Amino acid sequence: EAGVAQSPRYKIIEKRQSVAFWCNPISGHATLYWYQQILGQGPKLLIQFQNNGVVDDSQLPKDRFSAERLKGVDSTLKIQPAKLEDSAVYLCASSLLGNEQFFGPGTRLTVL
Amino acid sequence: GNSVTQMEGPVTLSEEAFLTINCTYTATGYPSLFWYVQYPGEGLQLLLKATKADDKGSNKGFEATYRKETTSFHLEKGSVQVSDSAVYFCALRSNAGNMLTFGGGTRLMVKP
Repeated sequence: EAGVAQSPRYKIIEKRQSVAFWCNPISGHATLYWYQQILGQGPKLLIQFQNNGVVDDSQLPKDRFSAERLKGVDSTLKIQPAKLEDSAVYLCASSLLGNEQFFGPGTRLTVL
Repeated sequence: GNSVTQMEGPVTLSEEAFLTINCTYTATGYPSLFWYVQYPGEGLQLLLKATKADDKGSNKGFEATYRKETTSFHLEKGSVQVSDSAVYFCALRSNAGNMLTFGGGTRLMVKP
């Protein structure tokens, strides 16, 4: 079974630019999560989708971050405009409802 | 709110040494507890879990026991190998949803 796919794996941008990350969850997984992992810290949940609806986005900085999951499958996370403190690894995970979360390899973002 | 605290690393051990990585938590209700492992260049993988007090999770020689009285979930392994070198994350999931709260991670380095 294919795992969670993410792209790109690495991205370098300058501050105030915009960037987008893509995630394709495991087939059949209705729940999708985006986490931010700053170097030396544990992952922090940004947003959780159930199918194409948002379950929890309480920790998403909505002034600059946005996410969507059209058709309840793939998802994109966007940052516009980026700040230096957004440098981190962005992890996508998926799960069946209430079950174990499976993580993708992440996208490492560097903001200069 | 929920929080997880784990010992800072790096932890450096010789092959076949005994491993303990401490983890304590703060949560309302009765959370489920997890240990995830992140090998270099890879995504997070579930290592073991425990869903109620006094449960012991185990996998690949690693063990952790859910201690409600001390709010702890320490990770142990009797004899580490070089291949165990990775970053280990303790996490909890509240019984109100599927959101994970992670500790800061502990890097383990095992030398031959």
